[in-house]
Amino acid sequence: DAGVIQSPRHEVTEMGQEVTLRCKPISGHDYLFWYRQTMMRGLELLIYFNNNVPIDDSGMPEDRFSAKMPNASFSTLKIQPSEPRDSAVYFCASSFSLAGLNEQFFGPGTRLTVL
Amino acid sequence: KNEVEQSPQNLTAQEGEFITINCSYSVGISALHWLQQHPGGGIVSLFMLSSGKKKHGRLIATINIQEKHSSLHITASHPRDSAVYICAVLGLGANSKLTFGKGITLSVRP
Repeated sequence: DAGVIQSPRHEVTEMGQEVTLRCKPISGHDYLFWYRQTMMRGLELLIYFNNNVPIDDSGMPEDRFSAKMPNASFSTLKIQPSEPRDSAVYFCASSFSLAGLNEQFFGPGTRLTVL
Repeated sequence: KNEVEQSPQNLTAQEGEFITINCSYSVGISALHWLQQHPGGGIVSLFMLSSGKKKHGRLIATINIQEKHSSLHITASHPRDSAVYICAVLGLGANSKLTFGKGITLSVRP
């Protein structure tokens, strides 16, 4: 398996523009996670899905953020409109299980810069 | 107060030294992760444990549930071990989620 795939790897956009980040989890993994990493706050969980259903979106900072998982092999994280404070690295991760002793496999991340 | 505290914040060691990185948490957990993030940004899960000790190569992770404390040990450290080491805890309950520490930046000098 190629691992968790994220695209784009880098995104530079202007304030107010819509940004869409994409993730393809490892085949067979039931859980998908979206994280954000900044220097100030470290890693933060934004939302996670189980079997394509959002389970906990309490980490989503504002209504400007939305995430979808239309099928088991694809998820998007959308920011509309984007703001400079959204600049961060966004990671997607997947795993077999949440409660069991299984590892989460992280994608390479998307580095977002909002000017 | 953060739920997950890591110490020290930055650590510099000489190649070959034995290194210990600490993680303390304040909530009940079902499991604890140790993650490694290299300068390029990629994140790798090193260990996930809920009790006792795990060993993989030169890395050893221990956890004391009663004391709410975990340590990551690196034996015979090498410059390639230079990375950020992040501790994360998985809360109790069926739909619990991970809470992360800020990470410790380790530099191993040749």
